[in-house]
Parts: sequence; structure tokens; C-alpha cells
Amino acid sequence: NAGVMQNPRHLVRRRGQEARLRCSPMKGHSHVYWYRQLPEEGLKFMVYLQKENIIDESGMPKERFSAEFPKEGPSILRIQQVVRGDSAAYFCASSLGQAGGETQYFGPGTRLLVL
Amino acid sequence: GDSVTQMEGPVTLSEEAFLTINCTYTATGYPSLFWYVQYPGEGLQLLLKATKADDKGSNKGFEATYRKETTSFHLEKGSVQVSDSAVYFCALSDRDTDKLIFGTGTRLQVFP
Repeated sequence: NAGVMQNPRHLVRRRGQEARLRCSPMKGHSHVYWYRQLPEEGLKFMVYLQKENIIDESGMPKERFSAEFPKEGPSILRIQQVVRGDSAAYFCASSLGQAGGETQYFGPGTRLLVL
Repeated sequence: GDSVTQMEGPVTLSEEAFLTINCTYTATGYPSLFWYVQYPGEGLQLLLKATKADDKGSNKGFEATYRKETTSFHLEKGSVQVSDSAVYFCALSDRDTDKLIFGTGTRLQVFP
């Protein structure tokens, strides 16, 4: 049973370009979470999605960032017009979402570097 | 809002030493509590969890007990190995959405 998959693992963008990060949850999981880890810091929650719905986006920056989890295909985190401060590791996690305290399983992350 | 505080690192130990990494939390309800471990260049792996007061999570020799009276979830291991060198994150989950709130992480370095 494959775990959570993220691609690309590493992404280099120049300032002003767009970054698209993809996440495929574990088989059978319909809940996806995105977290950001800045260098030498802990992870910060960004957004929580179920299929075709954004449940909680309280951690998302108001501008340039968007996320989706379509009925078919992976979840996408999109960053428009990237700036150097967007350089970080972005982790996706998935869960069954059936009860409080459900375990989240993390992908290997996408490390974004903005030049 | 909810928050997690864990001891700053790095924690440096010799092999077979006893390990404690302190973690305390602030939450309005009764969250579930987790320890995750991150090895260099990798994602987070669940180490152990506890979902209610007095529960003890354990895995690979690591243990942590959910203490509601002290709002703590300290991680312990009786005898660490070099292979335990990693960054350890304490986290709680929001009861409504299950989103995780992490501490800042504690780097553990174990030397032979």
C-alpha cells in the first residue's frame, strides 16, 4: 500500500514564477492537509481539504496561495508569483478523517527554492 | 489559541543514555497528542499517539503519557541509540478539523 506521494521532491523557481505542488493521498484517504516548514522551524498548518471542498484554510496566506483537491487526481497547492520568502519545505498529509484524533500520514515533502 | 511548547535542542546524549524531551500544551478542549520524528531530508513519521487522558503511547522503546493535570506529553526512552538521532516534534490535533499544531521541534544527537 503506497504511502502519501508528493511531487516534485525539489522545485526551483525564479521570483515571479508559479509553483505547483502535487500530493496523492494514501489509498482510501479522502482528507488532505498541507503544512509548511520554514528552515529550522516547526510545521505550520496551511489548509485542510476533502474531495472538492476546502474545509479550513485559516493558515493560508491571503494572496498568491491556493489549494484544491478535485474529485479525480491529486491535491494541488499553487503559489503564484513566488517570492524568496516562499522558500520552504511543503508537506502534505492524509487521513481517513473518520474520528477525532485520526492519525495523519505525511508525504516526503516538496522543497521549494525561490531564486 | 491552542499551542504546543517543547524543550529547545539540541539534546546531545551518549548511546544507551536515558532520554526525556518535554512537551506541554495549551488547548480549550481535549485534543489528541502526538509525537512525530523527522530524519534528515525526509517527511514526518508518526512515532506514537494518545487520544485521552492517562493514555500511554509507545513505539520502538519510546513512551509518552497524556497528563491532563499537567497538560504534558513528555517523550521518554530508556536507552537511546545512534539511529535515534533526528528531530522530534510534539503535536496536538484540533478536535473539530484534526489539523495538527506542532511544537518547534527538538533535535536529538546521539553519539557512540
